[in-house]
Amino acid sequence: GQQLNQSPQSMFIQEGEDVSMNCTSSSIFNTWLWYKQDPGEGPVLLIALYKAGELTSNGRLTAQFGITRKDSFLNISASIPSDVGIYFCAGRELNTGFQKLVFGTGTRLLVSP
Amino acid sequence: SAVISQKPSRDICQRGTSLTIQCQVDSQVTMMFWYRQQPGQSLTLIATANQGSEATYESGFVIDKFPISRPNLTFSTLTVSNMSPEDSSIYLCSVLGQGSYGYTFGSGTRLTVV
Repeated sequence: GQQLNQSPQSMFIQEGEDVSMNCTSSSIFNTWLWYKQDPGEGPVLLIALYKAGELTSNGRLTAQFGITRKDSFLNISASIPSDVGIYFCAGRELNTGFQKLVFGTGTRLLVSP
Repeated sequence: SAVISQKPSRDICQRGTSLTIQCQVDSQVTMMFWYRQQPGQSLTLIATANQGSEATYESGFVIDKFPISRPNLTFSTLTVSNMSPEDSSIYLCSVLGQGSYGYTFGSGTRLTVV
């Protein structure tokens, strides 16, 4: 099935550093979602974006819905050890008539204390 | 958001057998989905579970291998049939709540086929 291009594939950073990851698609999306998955758990929704250009924050997390509707980014500021996990973007295509999501390839984040 | 109970949380099965995974939601939901996550990979949609009718399968997934039921608005099952080691994955249930845009996931079923 289709997957979104997500980068970077992995990141190893020091505690306190800021992190940025992004997702691109060849299709136009009407919804972008960002999830975090911890080992042995299902993905947990972090931020949802519904309009082109929208910038939304959730604590230290900020995400934006790209103007072209084909991309999105997630920033994490002042990282802490519990930010460790796999981050996935997910999008819902415009005008498909379906509610299903397409997922990105994931970004594995490691934070060194 | 909806709370999902997915069972079993993990299982080890013999090849050639079948396993049925249950997904129970604490409220009525509009849509229910089943995903597969192979080791170290992203999530791939298997099918959309439709209440009272046949599920809608994605390319590469067929009903004979992954039969799905959804008898009401809060419950669905996924069966992995005639299992082989290649079926070893995490299987995840996801729902879209009524009047909501957020997709919630269960904690998954970690399946190992030996």
